[in-house]
Amino acid sequence: AQSVSQHNHHVILSEAASLELGCNYSYGGTVNLFWYVQYPGQHLQLLLKYFSGDPLVKGIKGFEAEFIKSKFSFNLRKPSVQWSDTAEYLCAVNARGNNRLAFGKGNQVVVIP
Amino acid sequence: EPEVTQTPSHQVTQMGQEVILRCVPISNHLYFYWYRQILGQKVEFLVSFYNNEISEKSEIFDDQFSVERPDGSNFTLKIRSTKLEDSAMYFCASTGQGITGAYEQYFGPGTRLTVT
Repeated sequence: AQSVSQHNHHVILSEAASLELGCNYSYGGTVNLFWYVQYPGQHLQLLLKYFSGDPLVKGIKGFEAEFIKSKFSFNLRKPSVQWSDTAEYLCAVNARGNNRLAFGKGNQVVVIP
Repeated sequence: EPEVTQTPSHQVTQMGQEVILRCVPISNHLYFYWYRQILGQKVEFLVSFYNNEISEKSEIFDDQFSVERPDGSNFTLKIRSTKLEDSAMYFCASTGQGITGAYEQYFGPGTRLTVT
């Protein structure tokens, strides 16, 4: 079974700072990788995903993530955050051909204006 | 934009009671899921459902749990005899395709279940 690790569960930063959230997974086979975001009072929604091709993927709202297969990592980045990026960010993975998502514990990000 | 909806938003029940959590997936979606998140813990997969049957279930999804698509629009999760440890946020999700697993799962807002 897959497992996902996210560290630094609480992140506080100022507007215009850069953000990087780490995500590591453990699974020996081919995976699909996702970052979901939950803004206060809203549904979980997809930020970006990777399943093949260019390991650097771009998502909504200026976010990007890089899949590094050798490190089993899929870190999320944004060069300059805004107050509206305050949210919980969850990394998730599933095995290719299987829909069952395994989530990390999430990062609660607070951006101070 | 189509959304997954869930009712109720909050359910309080006594230990040993049966509860039914309801979800309306996006209308042309074919794959349906339930997840749960106990406070302070990870979101955990419970079950996936396709073509009117369970396609996969986790170790959590024991005989106390069941799922049903009673009428072509609703997707329900039933817990027969609730326990304190069933207190959690329950999320429903759906996706239009699922063969590769590479498709976005659309999540509902969740039902917070509190068992007293």
